[in-house]
Amino acid sequence: DVKVTQSSRYLVKRTGEKVFLECVQDMDHENMFWYRQDPGLGLRLIYFSYDVKMKEKGDIPEGYSVSREKKERFSLILESASTNQTSMYLCASSLPLAGGPNEQFFGPGTRLTVL
Amino acid sequence: KNQVEQSPQSLIILEGKNCTLQCNYTVSPFSNLRWYKQDTGRGPVSLTIMTFSENTKSNGRYTATLDADTKQSSLHITASQLSDSASYICVVSTTTDSWGKLQFGAGTQVVVTP
Repeated sequence: DVKVTQSSRYLVKRTGEKVFLECVQDMDHENMFWYRQDPGLGLRLIYFSYDVKMKEKGDIPEGYSVSREKKERFSLILESASTNQTSMYLCASSLPLAGGPNEQFFGPGTRLTVL
Repeated sequence: KNQVEQSPQSLIILEGKNCTLQCNYTVSPFSNLRWYKQDTGRGPVSLTIMTFSENTKSNGRYTATLDADTKQSSLHITASQLSDSASYICVVSTTTDSWGKLQFGAGTQVVVTP
């Protein structure tokens, strides 16, 4: 089974702090994604990566950056956390589409609270 | 405006009863549609994936249907169990790029009571 793990389940930070969220997958997937999930809005894509050191902006990249130095690890960075970044953050990974419907496998999520 | 709309927003059903969740989408071009189950405090887990040519797919007590002409999908839960209490999310893949961008509905919260 694919396993996607996230470094923390719950995190509390103060406004202005630099925050790192780590995600690791063990299935050698090329694609990795960071989403945030807010009530009533559904999941929104922040950034994704289709290869080591490659990254693309998603729908809401402002205030975030990412790093992918190794294939299995994808980090989300909040350079200066703000209260409106309080949310559930979900990491996912998948194989390339390769002509068929791919499936994204999600981690358990990190609930971040910024005070 | 969200391109994937789900209804109802929430519902409560008695254990053992059936229920049907709805999903309407406007995204184009369409690649595939998925239903995910998300337990409270957990990440979503895939239930079904359907491409344009498929109009029904089952996974145990879950049956998804797709009408690509009307851009509607439904998820039917048969003989509900307490463990079915979760949020059910409809997700549409809008491209066939190698990474497969997804558009997410806001979810339907299902509560199964004894």
